[in-house]
Amino acid sequence: NAGVTQTPKFQVLKTGQSMTLQCAQDMNHNSMYWYRQDPGMGLRLIYYSASEGTTDKGEVPNGYNVSRLNKREFSLRLESAAPSQTSVYFCASSHIAREQYFGPGTRLTVT
Amino acid sequence: EDQVTQSPEALRLQEGESSSLNCSYTVSGLRGLFWYRQDPGKGPEFLFTLYSAGEEKEKERLKATLTKKESFLHITAPKPEDSATYLCAVQATNNNDMRFGAGTRLTVKP
Repeated sequence: NAGVTQTPKFQVLKTGQSMTLQCAQDMNHNSMYWYRQDPGMGLRLIYYSASEGTTDKGEVPNGYNVSRLNKREFSLRLESAAPSQTSVYFCASSHIAREQYFGPGTRLTVT
Repeated sequence: EDQVTQSPEALRLQEGESSSLNCSYTVSGLRGLFWYRQDPGKGPEFLFTLYSAGEEKEKERLKATLTKKESFLHITAPKPEDSATYLCAVQATNNNDMRFGAGTRLTVKP
């Protein structure tokens, strides 16, 4: 049981480049989430998917898009990266309205 | 708007020195309050869920309690391996997302 996996672990982008962060879970959870974590600001929700086929904006969705590919996979796309998107990104999954289980994170630097 | 405030931001304890971390919250209707532990360079790890005022949960040296306005994470006789950042989060009854506090960074010195 791998839990929640994320790729890549580290990434450096130049301003304007695009990339997709991948997330997969093997716990048969319905809900999946993308957060960013910045020093002193805690975890902030970018997008979430309550169930397969649905996605909703969170607190800080601007500059991001998501795809719920199937029940297991939820990807986050940066179309045109900006330095303000330098952060640590965490994917999480849960049964609806239950505790969330987090992946190990992706450390993204945009120069 | 749902809000979560954790205090203190940082706490340094000697091994064996008990203390408490605070999580104050405002939410339209509480579905659940969650505590997580986060080690440097890793994702948060789930500790407890509390659903209603008066509820308590325990795990080893940790005990979480809940009132209508705040939650406490009590650490009894901590050890250096308890050093981590502790995160609190709330989930409201009217949505599926979770609002996190900024965390308390705990350091336990031997």
